[in-house]
Amino acid sequence: NAGVTQTPKFRILKIGQSMTLQCTQDMNHNYMYWYRQDPGMGLKLIYYSVGAGITDKGEVPNGYNVSRSTTEDFPLRLELAAPSQTSVYFCASRENTEAFFGQGTRLTVV
Amino acid sequence: GDSVTQMEGPVTLSEEAFLTINCTYTATGYPSLFWYVQYPGEGLQLLLKATKADDKGSNKGFEATYRKETTSFHLEKGSVQVSDSAVYFCALSGSNFGNEKLTFGTGTRLTIIP
Repeated sequence: NAGVTQTPKFRILKIGQSMTLQCTQDMNHNYMYWYRQDPGMGLKLIYYSVGAGITDKGEVPNGYNVSRSTTEDFPLRLELAAPSQTSVYFCASRENTEAFFGQGTRLTVV
Repeated sequence: GDSVTQMEGPVTLSEEAFLTINCTYTATGYPSLFWYVQYPGEGLQLLLKATKADDKGSNKGFEATYRKETTSFHLEKGSVQVSDSAVYFCALSGSNFGNEKLTFGTGTRLTIIP
């Protein structure tokens, strides 16, 4: 039972580059979330989805895009990376109450 | 919108000390409440939860009671260990359709000294 899988674990981007952070869950959960965690800070919600084909903005969506073509996958796209996007990104999925988190992607933009 | 206010950290305690981390919330309806724990270099793990008023969640010696009258969900442990050193997050999830967000507090870093 893999749970929530995020790839890559680490990545260094140059300013202006783009990339996609992958997130896959095998629990058939409808709800999925993307958070960022800045050093010493809490989690801020970027985007979330309540099911395939449905996404919505969280607190800090600017500079990011998401899609949800299947129940399992919820990729996060960064266009034109900026130093302010240096952070640790967590994907989570939920059904009913408990949320399950991936191990995170540590992204550095230089 | 929904929000969670959590005790500021960091918190440093000696082993076997009593722990309280305060958490209060603002939400409409009847949210579910959670405590998550994050060990260094890892993702968040559910520590305990409560889904209705007066429920007590418990796990690994930690407890928290859902108090609707004071909108609180304080985390307690009677005797902490070095292995409890981690960051603790209070969180809530909405109970109403159209309110599916999972909202977190800012986290409290706990360090236990032997």
